[in-house]
Amino acid sequence: ETGVTQSPTHLIKTRGQQVTLRCSSQSGHNTVSWYQQALGQGPQFIFQYYREEENGRGNFPPRFSGLQFPNYSSELNVNALELDDSALYLCASSLKRGGEHEQYFGPGTRLTVT
Amino acid sequence: AQTVTQSQPEMSVQEAETVTLSCTYDTSESDYYLFWYKQPPSRQMILVIRQEAYKQQNATENRFSVNFQKAAKSFSLKISDSQLGDAAMYFCAYRCTSGTYKYIFGTGTRLKVLA
Repeated sequence: ETGVTQSPTHLIKTRGQQVTLRCSSQSGHNTVSWYQQALGQGPQFIFQYYREEENGRGNFPPRFSGLQFPNYSSELNVNALELDDSALYLCASSLKRGGEHEQYFGPGTRLTVT
Repeated sequence: AQTVTQSQPEMSVQEAETVTLSCTYDTSESDYYLFWYKQPPSRQMILVIRQEAYKQQNATENRFSVNFQKAAKSFSLKISDSQLGDAAMYFCAYRCTSGTYKYIFGTGTRLKVLA
């Protein structure tokens, strides 16, 4: 059983650019959530995908969008990057949406916007 | 809206001693889950312990145990026989049992273990 993986590990972008972050779920997991963790803060929920459909969204603007693929891997896209988007982006997968099923986190992608 | 508060930005403990990390939360729900996650410097979040709100018995995992006070909306983590490998950021998190099942995290407590 493989764990949650994310790519790339680090990324540097310029304000106004667009970025795509990728996540491979743990084997058999059909639910993926994305979180933004600013320096010194706890993770903030961006959105969740369940079986390729968005299942909920946090307080993030529409320029944050996502996709989940049939193999349950996922992408986070951020358009028109702002300096405040600099953060660690975490992906987490779970076997099902709720119940007792915990989320397993990936190592994150560190995004720096200059 | 649900909130999670960790009022201790940093804690220190001597190796082999016991330390308690505090967490309070606010919710109008009666059924939910509470978690403690550990985030070492390598960044990957690891689940430490989980508590279902409908269970009165406090969860225990080896050296880790919680004190869950539902009426007070308090959920503290006790680490016994602290080890150097316990040094990390610890996050308290809340998850409801319906809707998006999103996790709501506190701001974290950095635990230092002194040799």
